[in-house]
Amino acid sequence: QKEVEQNSGPLSVPEGAIASLNCTYSDRGSQSFFWYRQYSGKSPELIMSIYSNGDKEDGRFTAQLNKASQYVSLLIRDSQPSDSATYLCAVDNYGQNFVFGPGTRLSVLP
Amino acid sequence: GAVVSQHPSRVICKSGTSVKIECRSLDFQATTMFWYRQFPKQSLMLMATSNEGSKATYEQGVEKDKFLINHASLTLSTLTVTSAHPEDSSFYICSAVLGIPYEQYFGPGTRLTVT
Repeated sequence: QKEVEQNSGPLSVPEGAIASLNCTYSDRGSQSFFWYRQYSGKSPELIMSIYSNGDKEDGRFTAQLNKASQYVSLLIRDSQPSDSATYLCAVDNYGQNFVFGPGTRLSVLP
Repeated sequence: GAVVSQHPSRVICKSGTSVKIECRSLDFQATTMFWYRQFPKQSLMLMATSNEGSKATYEQGVEKDKFLINHASLTLSTLTVTSAHPEDSSFYICSAVLGIPYEQYFGPGTRLTVT
């Protein structure tokens, strides 16, 4: 059973702080790793994808991947109240084996 | 990013009737589409994987005769909820996979209410 685990939260951070979201996965064959943001009542939105070990930065977001430790993280710098949402980690193997984590609820306090 | 549309966005139907939900990839061809269901404050639940030109693969516990999936073209997949009951009321979300690097993009979802 392929699993993706996340802390359900809620994770509360003050506005302007760095939010750190973590994810672990069980399938060592996973090739692709994604972070989605889901606002309440809306569908998930892809915000980051990462495929190789190391860091990938896009604006205020940084994804970090460590395949040896089977660990993916997402850092959100200068957190804003509009970042308050549920963040879903997903892993995949060539487009056919997407597995989503349960999501971490992030609350950014003004 | 790639765009996926869903129609309708919201539907209310009477118990016993059938409802069809359409999922379209607007600017790319998707050989694989997924259908999810999400109840309030719960995680996404994968219902089935839809591959163009072949039968859908259903997850364990999902009734294939109740949730009919048709993926007739590379840009369109449909989910029909047959003989809907109030317990089928949920948020149904489709997604489409953009080939290499195999990113999955979600439609906006369809909120189904069965009365």
